[in-house]
Amino acid sequence: LAKTTQPISMDSYEGQEVNITCSHNNIATNDYITWYQQFPSQGPRFIIQGYKTKVTNEVASLFIPADRKSSTLSLPRVSLSDTAVYYCLVVPPEDSGYSTLTFGKGTMLLVSP
Amino acid sequence: DTGVSQNPRHKITKRGQNVTFRCDPISEHNRLYWYRQTLGQGPEFLTYFQNEAQLEKSRLLSDRFSAERPKGSFSTLEIQRTEQGDSAMYLCASSLFRDLNEKLFFGSGTQLSVL
Repeated sequence: LAKTTQPISMDSYEGQEVNITCSHNNIATNDYITWYQQFPSQGPRFIIQGYKTKVTNEVASLFIPADRKSSTLSLPRVSLSDTAVYYCLVVPPEDSGYSTLTFGKGTMLLVSP
Repeated sequence: DTGVSQNPRHKITKRGQNVTFRCDPISEHNRLYWYRQTLGQGPEFLTYFQNEAQLEKSRLLSDRFSAERPKGSFSTLEIQRTEQGDSAMYLCASSLFRDLNEKLFFGSGTQLSVL
């Protein structure tokens, strides 16, 4: 499985855009990039997933360059409630025979007033 | 509530005691996962089921740990002869294996404290 590297922590202020970059140099051709969010005392929650270029949903955007060796999670206009740990994962396709998600330590995002 | 439900939310036990946790997944989900998480770390995979079959178990999982999913619905995780090192958050997740991009839905976890 491809290893991911992301910053341990980030700080921001309310209303700002936050970009969290994840490196995955050894990503395989058919792997997907997935981000989860975790609040204290809760389980992780799926945010967004992509394969290439750009994906956007109601929560975030995911930017993936052509070489797919990195990805950036973009949170527009963060609020205090976006304070959480964000995990970047590289996920093999369903038919790969590998079915477990491997979480790193994630990025602790702290949003201040 | 149609999310993943875990009980109890908190468990305090003495070293050497046995504990059992329960997980009720989202009803139509056929896969169920158990993870363990300690402070400052990401969730660590323990085991998973597809329907009632346990398909994979972490090599790091001690023989004191056992999980079941008898009818392919709810699951239990038992820890025998608990040790202080077992103190952690135990997370359950479920998914529908057939989605193009499988997404895991996690419960809120069971926080275990071994004294």
